[in-house]
Amino acid sequence: AQSVTQLDSQVPVFEEAPVELRCNYSSSVSVYLFWYVQYPNQGLQLLLKYLSGSTLVESINGFEAEFNKSQTSFHLRKPSVHISDTAEYFCAVSGRGNQFYFGTGTSLTVIP
Amino acid sequence: DAGITQSPRHKVTETGTPVTLRCHQTENHRYMYWYRQDPGHGLRLIHYSYGVKDTDKGEVSDGYSVSRSKTEDFLLTLESATSSQTSVYFCAILSRDDEQYFGPGTRLTVT
Repeated sequence: AQSVTQLDSQVPVFEEAPVELRCNYSSSVSVYLFWYVQYPNQGLQLLLKYLSGSTLVESINGFEAEFNKSQTSFHLRKPSVHISDTAEYFCAVSGRGNQFYFGTGTSLTVIP
Repeated sequence: DAGITQSPRHKVTETGTPVTLRCHQTENHRYMYWYRQDPGHGLRLIHYSYGVKDTDKGEVSDGYSVSRSKTEDFLLTLESATSSQTSVYFCAILSRDDEQYFGPGTRLTVT
């Protein structure tokens, strides 16, 4: 079975500062890893994913995440956040069995 | 946008009444999912389907049933709604690239 831990439930950060949202997973099989973003009163949107290949993956709006197999982590980072990045972020793991397991989410608040 | 719609978008119902939520997709995806989202719990899988008439339980399936008689529709039924089922319900599909795409959600309140 798989599980996902997001240790930080809330992360406040000043505008233009860097941010890291932490995600650790447990799995006995090879996994696919995902980050989703949810803006207020909306559904979840895929932000980025790791399926195979390069362990560093990037999104179109400046976020990146690195798959670290030895530490079973997939932390999300951005070097400079904007007000518009304020949202809930969810890490998810799929064990190729077509079932997804989600973390409890991290609420990112960007402070002007 | 993976062509996923959910209906209704909002519903208030009384304890003990049956409720059916509908998820509709337009792109012929095989896998469909129902999740509920609650503060502090993230998203939890209720049921999923891997084809017409093929469904399986998720981690929080008690009190819920599902049906899939057509590829495009996945129905979630609360046979007798309880206040603990007040939540936001999301439907999702699995794309051919092994990504999940979500519908806009249904906010259900059980009074």
